[in-house]
Amino acid sequence: DGGITQSPKYLFRKEGQNVTLSCEQNLNHDAMYWYRQDPGQGLRLIYYSQIVNDFQKGDIAEGYSVSREKKESFPLTVTSAQKNPTAFYLCASSIDRVRNEQFFGPGTRLTVL
Amino acid sequence: EDKVVQSPLSLVVHEGDTVTLNCSYEVTNFRSLLWYKQEKKAPTFLFMLTSSGIEKKSGRLSSILDKKELFSILNITATQTGDSAVYLCAVESYAGNNRKLIWGLGTSLAVNP
Repeated sequence: DGGITQSPKYLFRKEGQNVTLSCEQNLNHDAMYWYRQDPGQGLRLIYYSQIVNDFQKGDIAEGYSVSREKKESFPLTVTSAQKNPTAFYLCASSIDRVRNEQFFGPGTRLTVL
Repeated sequence: EDKVVQSPLSLVVHEGDTVTLNCSYEVTNFRSLLWYKQEKKAPTFLFMLTSSGIEKKSGRLSSILDKKELFSILNITATQTGDSAVYLCAVESYAGNNRKLIWGLGTSLAVNP
């Protein structure tokens, strides 16, 4: 089955620790995206990548970093510089940035204690 | 500033009712409007609309776009408890090769038996 997987589903970290969220897709999509979703707010774009070894900042990139070493994988690191990291994080992919119908993974809920 | 506004924010109906969800937008360089259904976790794609007046239909769900008045509606007929979810609207805008989705806050639909 083709799809997008994110792991883990739930993650707890202490304040000041960096944490990396995994996102893998086997849809052969070129473009991948990271969003965060907070209560009362729409999805907000953190980073996106159009092709391997390329990525761009979204609207709220501060305190986050990404890499795109393989087409299938787009991990997101939440650094200690992110002031309010507790949120629900969603990864998505699309065929490319032109055909922008995005397919989402199941999400990771990060809680920073 | 680009924005997408969904209404109502929440809705409670009984099984069998018909509901209409609204999405209005103000974006520069409109390309498409997308509807997603989010049940607890990953948003799942419902429709992509690019042309005015052409209804997209999938079972009991249908949607239409009005590019003159800048809105879309999502209709659900004969609602079932399984339709309970948050329905998200997103509008794709573009500037050159840069395309992005602007997300609404969603409409939370609860269908009671």
